[in-house]
Amino acid sequence: GEDVEQSLFLSVREGDSSVINCTYTDSSSTYLYWYKQEPGAGLQLLTYIFSNMDMKQDQRLTVLLNKKDKHLSLRIADTQTGDSAIYFCAETDPGQGNLIFGKGTKLSVKP
Amino acid sequence: DSGVTQTPKHLITATGQRVTLRCSPRSGDLSVYWYQQSLDQGLQFLIQYYNGEERAKGNILERFSAQQFPDLHSELNLSSLELGDSALYFCASSAGGTGGRDTEAFFGQGTRLTVV
Repeated sequence: GEDVEQSLFLSVREGDSSVINCTYTDSSSTYLYWYKQEPGAGLQLLTYIFSNMDMKQDQRLTVLLNKKDKHLSLRIADTQTGDSAIYFCAETDPGQGNLIFGKGTKLSVKP
Repeated sequence: DSGVTQTPKHLITATGQRVTLRCSPRSGDLSVYWYQQSLDQGLQFLIQYYNGEERAKGNILERFSAQQFPDLHSELNLSSLELGDSALYFCASSAGGTGGRDTEAFFGQGTRLTVV
């Protein structure tokens, strides 16, 4: 079955780059997504990448996709304390259209 | 603001009771998804409706049911509640379709259900 895996925690210093990694299992997923959840809040769509792309850059965010290894990463440049949140990787269930989420990576940014 | 509205924000109820959670999707979106977020299970897909019809089912218990009305708002009904049903319930909406940009989903703020 489908499974999306992420490491649970990441701690970085303000100003450094953060890299959050994710592996997924369904190679037929068309889109892969990154969502951000701040404490007590809902899920905010950060960015997505189409499966025929290797990289997508959006301001401080860079998404890298290695389709062969089914590996997705999110790089946040110049990480700020406001970036502290839980980041979820998600793939689309190609048969049903719903999202399959990883357990989330809690990013802590230290001043 | 994602454009998806969920009510109520918080709900506290006793075991054995029944509650209804409501979701209004983004204007123009035909698909509504319900997800449950708990500490041990993470984010689990429950059910999807598209233009009033059930489209896909995930890990939804038989005690739970949902529907989507002609105006496209959706309700999730949870009955015979147990302590383990305490969780954050999210609604998401998308344009619809499967596998393409149409699945780009926008989430509401969630309803936090506490069963005591």
